[in-house]
Amino acid sequence: AQSVTQPDIHITVSEGASLELRCNYSYGATPYLFWYVQSPGQGLQLLLKYFSGDTLVQGIKGFEAEFKRSQSSFNLRKPSVHWSDAAEYFCAVGPRGSGYALNFGKGTSLLVTP
Amino acid sequence: EPEVTQTPSHQVTQMGQEVILRCVPISNHLYFYWYRQILGQKVEFLVSFYNNEISEKSEIFDDQFSVERPDGSNFTLKIRSTKLEDSAMYFCASSKRGGNQPQHFGDGTRLSIL
Repeated sequence: AQSVTQPDIHITVSEGASLELRCNYSYGATPYLFWYVQSPGQGLQLLLKYFSGDTLVQGIKGFEAEFKRSQSSFNLRKPSVHWSDAAEYFCAVGPRGSGYALNFGKGTSLLVTP
Repeated sequence: EPEVTQTPSHQVTQMGQEVILRCVPISNHLYFYWYRQILGQKVEFLVSFYNNEISEKSEIFDDQFSVERPDGSNFTLKIRSTKLEDSAMYFCASSKRGGNQPQHFGDGTRLSIL
């Protein structure tokens, strides 16, 4: 069955420290890959996406993600976290070919400490 | 930057009543979607809509649900005879095309069924 896994429910990092949020997927073929962020009371904002080509993709707010086919992973990274990055982060995958439904992971809640 | 807008932000309804959630997608987008997020759970796909018809729907989207694009700007989700388990955050999204085009989300409508 198709699935998206975000192993970490909560992550706490100090401001200025580096961050890596994990995402693994199980799909028949490499899907389209996305990371979204949700701040409290807000909607889902697209951080970055991977469709093809360069496996390291850059997004907004200083985030990047690396697609690793061999590991079926699409981990999100940021070299130096800011307090304003505290939010819920969702990995999502979309099928290639027919269908447009995004399949979301359960999310990782990021807490940033001073 | 254009955005998806949803109204109301919070809707409280008695069980068994009908509710209509409203969305204004981004103006040049052609594909429209509804997702929901039950408290503490993942974001789940409900339905996608293109060219005035449903293009895809999930198992959740049963006969209780319907979608409509009543005019050139609005996209609505109707829930007939609401149940307690319909309580959730409902997100509208839109994209320029399907497939690899990113979906842009609104801030959501929190639906509370009493």
